[in-house]
Amino acid sequence: KAGVTQTPRYLIKTRGQQVTLSCSPISGHRSVSWYQQTPGQGLQFLFEYFSETQRNKGNFPGRFSGRQFSNSRSEMNVSTLELGDSALYLCASSLGFGKFSYEQYFGPGTRLTVT
Amino acid sequence: TQLLEQSPQFLSIQEGENLTVYCNSSSVFSSLQWYRQEPGEGPVLLVTVVTGGEVKKLKRLTFQFGDARKDSSLHITAAQPGDTGLYLCAGYNRKLIWGLGTSLAVNP
Repeated sequence: KAGVTQTPRYLIKTRGQQVTLSCSPISGHRSVSWYQQTPGQGLQFLFEYFSETQRNKGNFPGRFSGRQFSNSRSEMNVSTLELGDSALYLCASSLGFGKFSYEQYFGPGTRLTVT
Repeated sequence: TQLLEQSPQFLSIQEGENLTVYCNSSSVFSSLQWYRQEPGEGPVLLVTVVTGGEVKKLKRLTFQFGDARKDSSLHITAAQPGDTGLYLCAGYNRKLIWGLGTSLAVNP
């Protein structure tokens, strides 16, 4: 089974710009979660999508948004980028239902640098 | 607010040594997971423990869930350089709560 893929792997943007990150989950997984990881804050939960609906949301401003498509692929968008948005953005897929539905399978991440 | 505290934050040891890292909370979790993350990669799930007092072994790694399901430990026997990475614990109680991790360096 192919793992979780994320594109692009690296991205450099300027303050004020917007960015869209993409994630393809493991086949059969219906839940996709997004995380922001920084050295100081650790792994911070952004949101989770299940069957095209946002099921959970973390404490991030409205500049961070996401969506999920009918094939479970997901995108995350950040508008009006700030320097503090520089981080590793991780996507994780999970079954989303049943026992151990919450076990996360992560992609390699997208390293976003905002200058 | 549910919190998971991991200790130590950093650990640097020589190959062949044993070590234990801890994951503690004041909250009860229905299950707890351990992940390992290598530089430039996403975390990889190592184990899920669900029963208080449960012990699981994965080769040289031993995971234990506390009797009260508030804490967990990871013990590595005869550490190898390949064990180097960030070890994260995550407790589940209707949502996942993540610790900040223990950064382990095993020197040859």
